[in-house]
Formats: sequence, C-alpha cells, structure tokens
Amino acid sequence: EPEVTQTPSHQVTQMGQEVILRCVPISNHLYFYWYRQILGQKVEFLVSFYNNEISEKSEIFDDQFSVERPDGSNFTLKIRSTKLEDSAMYFCASRADGNTEAFFGQGTRLTVV
Amino acid sequence: GNSVTQMEGPVTLSEEAFLTINCTYTATGYPSLFWYVQYPGEGLQLLLKATKADDKGSNKGFEATYRKETTSFHLEKGSVQVSDSAVYFCALSRNTGKLIFGQGTTLQVKP
Repeated sequence: EPEVTQTPSHQVTQMGQEVILRCVPISNHLYFYWYRQILGQKVEFLVSFYNNEISEKSEIFDDQFSVERPDGSNFTLKIRSTKLEDSAMYFCASRADGNTEAFFGQGTRLTVV
Repeated sequence: GNSVTQMEGPVTLSEEAFLTINCTYTATGYPSLFWYVQYPGEGLQLLLKATKADDKGSNKGFEATYRKETTSFHLEKGSVQVSDSAVYFCALSRNTGKLIFGQGTTLQVKP
C-alpha cells in the first residue's frame, strides 16, 4: 500500500541552526501539507502546497519557514533558524485530486536544544 | 472561524466497555468530518470519515454520524479492546483540504 514517508524520524539540533525535514508524498497525489504537534497539544496546520506554490499558510508559518518541492518526489520543510519553541512532531501529508482523505507520514520529531 | 471541540481526556475504560468520544464543530458551509487515531509512537491514521449530513462513517467497529442539526460527529464503539488505546482526533476539512483538528482525546483501555 502506498504511504507517505518522512525522514529523519528524529532530529536534534542546536538553537539557531537550520533544519530541513523531508517527505516523500504518495506518487499520484497533488496536494501536500505540513502540520506540527507540540508535545501534548493539538495538531496544527502549517502550510499547504499545490502546483508548485503555497496555497495556504497559517500564522505559525512565518519567514523562518519555507517549503519546496525540489524534484518530482520530495517535499521539504525548512526552518532557517530554529528556536526552542520549534520543538515538536512535524507531520507531512498528501492528498489526491478529488479526494477528501489526507494520508499522513509517521512524523519527524524535532528537538531544539 | 472553523473549529473543532472534543471532550477532555483521558478516558479510561475496561475492556468490552462502550465508548463515546464527543466532538462538535463550528464551520461555514458543509465541511467533511474525520476521526484520526494516533497509536503510541506512531503517526496519524484515518479511522473514518463522513462527507455530508447524516452520513455514517465506520471502520474497525468504530462509528460516527455527521449530525448537521447538532454540529456533531461523536465517535462510538460498542466494545473496546486494549489495542484501541490511543489518542483520537476529530477534524474537519473545507474544500481547501486543510484539516482543522480538535485537541485530541486519550483513550486508555484496561484489561
């Protein structure tokens, strides 16, 4: 069964460093998303991406964040200068055109120290 | 704006007990409604969904009915198992596909 894969599963980084979280969405999906879940809290929408551009972003997704689809398979989330409060589980999701169901990856746990 | 409210957890039940997790929503128009489950140490998995009023989503013995008149999508299961222990998230989506999640409800099932 096709699935969304995320790497790495766990990333530890020092405050102020740049991190790139990687996702491989399901191959025929056209809509891509990043969400985050701070420990013990709700899952929050960060950004959606379609047709090689951001279609919607939340107030969390400030200038420190960027997304890219560098090739036909990867979808990345970059945090330019990490802060302690960026520590969270980050989930990538993808969705097929005409389908309401989003498929989620296993998540990347980002720990900023 | 659009939002989802779930009952506070944790919910602790004995095996074979009846489960209800309440979920209500606020949204313009007619959203699609979802229940996602997160097992310990894992990602989010779609449990069931309903896309229009009076639809019933069901999967693995879980059910939820889209009630427009009460703006609710309560999750139910007749007989829970220890393996159902997880965090359950109610969510809605409008036509952009963006999901808005409730705060999650932790279910603990004891043998």
